[in-house]
Amino acid sequence: EAAVTQSPRNKVTVTGGNVTLSCRQTNSHNYMYWYRQDTGHGLRLIHYSYGAGNLQIGDVPDGYKATRTTQEDFFLLLELASPSQTSLYFCASSEGRGDTQYFGPGTRLLVL
Amino acid sequence: GDSVTQTEGQVTVSESKSLIINCTYSTTSIAYPNLFWYVRYPGEGLQLLLKVITAGQKGSSRGFEATYNKETTSFHLQKASVQESDSAVYYCALGTLNNNAPRFGAGTKLTVKP
Repeated sequence: EAAVTQSPRNKVTVTGGNVTLSCRQTNSHNYMYWYRQDTGHGLRLIHYSYGAGNLQIGDVPDGYKATRTTQEDFFLLLELASPSQTSLYFCASSEGRGDTQYFGPGTRLLVL
Repeated sequence: GDSVTQTEGQVTVSESKSLIINCTYSTTSIAYPNLFWYVRYPGEGLQLLLKVITAGQKGSSRGFEATYNKETTSFHLQKASVQESDSAVYYCALGTLNNNAPRFGAGTKLTVKP
């Protein structure tokens, strides 16, 4: 079974702060995703990637950068955090396009 | 673009009663999409509950069932008798083989009362 881990699990920062969320998957999946989950909105796709060095823009990319450094690692960067980015962030991976996604446990981010 | 709609944000059901959570989808893909139900228990990430990749087929897991209906573009989740341990948030999702990104519904929070 695919394993997806995220770090940190919880993060508090201030407005204007710099935050990096990390995600690692150990099943050599091609696709990796970053979502944010907010009450009433479900999961909204921020960025995704289909391989090292590749980046695709999702539905809510503003204020976020992402980088896929290896097959295993996918990072989400908030360079000037704002309170509107307070959310629960999930990383996921899948073998192929349209396939089952395997999720990490989530990172809860609070921007003061 | 593609979309998934779950009409109920919260559902409360008494233990041993039946459940239905509605899900409808739309897609611009020529091919039929893959359809999924994921579940998120408190404090955990989402995990796959069931999936169906062929129109007309039914998927089942842990007593839950969902049938892929391409005529009504629906994929409703049903269970005949819920248990307290089924309390969680349920997400309907769609995945396609074309360039469209995966789509999730807004989620339905199920609370099962003892």
